Amino acid sequence: GENVEQHPSTLSVQEGDSAVIKCTYSDSASNYFPWYKQELGKGPQLIIDIRSNVGEKKDQRIAVTLNKTAKHFSLHITETQPEDSAVYFCAATRGFDRGSTLGRLYFGRGTQLTVWP
Amino acid sequence: ETGVTQTPRHLVMGMTNKKSLKCEQHLGHNAMYWYKQSAKKPLELMFVYNFKEQTENNSVPSRFSPECPNSSHLFLHLHTLQPEDSALYLCASSQDWSEQYFGPGTRLTVT
Repeated sequence: GENVEQHPSTLSVQEGDSAVIKCTYSDSASNYFPWYKQELGKGPQLIIDIRSNVGEKKDQRIAVTLNKTAKHFSLHITETQPEDSAVYFCAATRGFDRGSTLGRLYFGRGTQLTVWP
Repeated sequence: ETGVTQTPRHLVMGMTNKKSLKCEQHLGHNAMYWYKQSAKKPLELMFVYNFKEQTENNSVPSRFSPECPNSSHLFLHLHTLQPEDSALYLCASSQDWSEQYFGPGTRLTVT
């Protein structure tokens, strides 16, 4: 099955700086890569995702890049704010086949991001 | 109410107890999932239901028993659990197999 590695496990930045979290995956057939943010006491929340037919996607201060050749993808947060502090998870999946395990999400171990004011 | 809700939010149970976790999704999705989240580990997929039919049981011990009476509700029945089963249990739903939306979780402590 798919293996997703995520680094770093912890990341501390000053408010206003940028933060980058990187993930690698093993299954070259994976084609969908979501990122989740989990705040204390809450479930993971989908914040951005990217499909394998694009190399980059942006949504305000967050962006995700994908390098299919190298099988890695990254989350970029610019102008960080204290409310960005949370655990971030990357995930990968092959796709959308109903009734099969091909659509199963494989998660990284998470990155604890702390933004200091 | 919108999104994915879970009850109870916190549960403490003894190893001989029987309890159930409940999940409800208000998003019109047709797939629902149970995950286990333990410290320092990736999210562990436990069960998947698609159109009320269980399509995956990820080698979960029989002391965990899922039930999906309809596409909006999902239960996890618990009995004779072990202390190592203490974790955050998350429910999620999706319309297809990728964009999963999570509930807030049930923090389970087995004493």
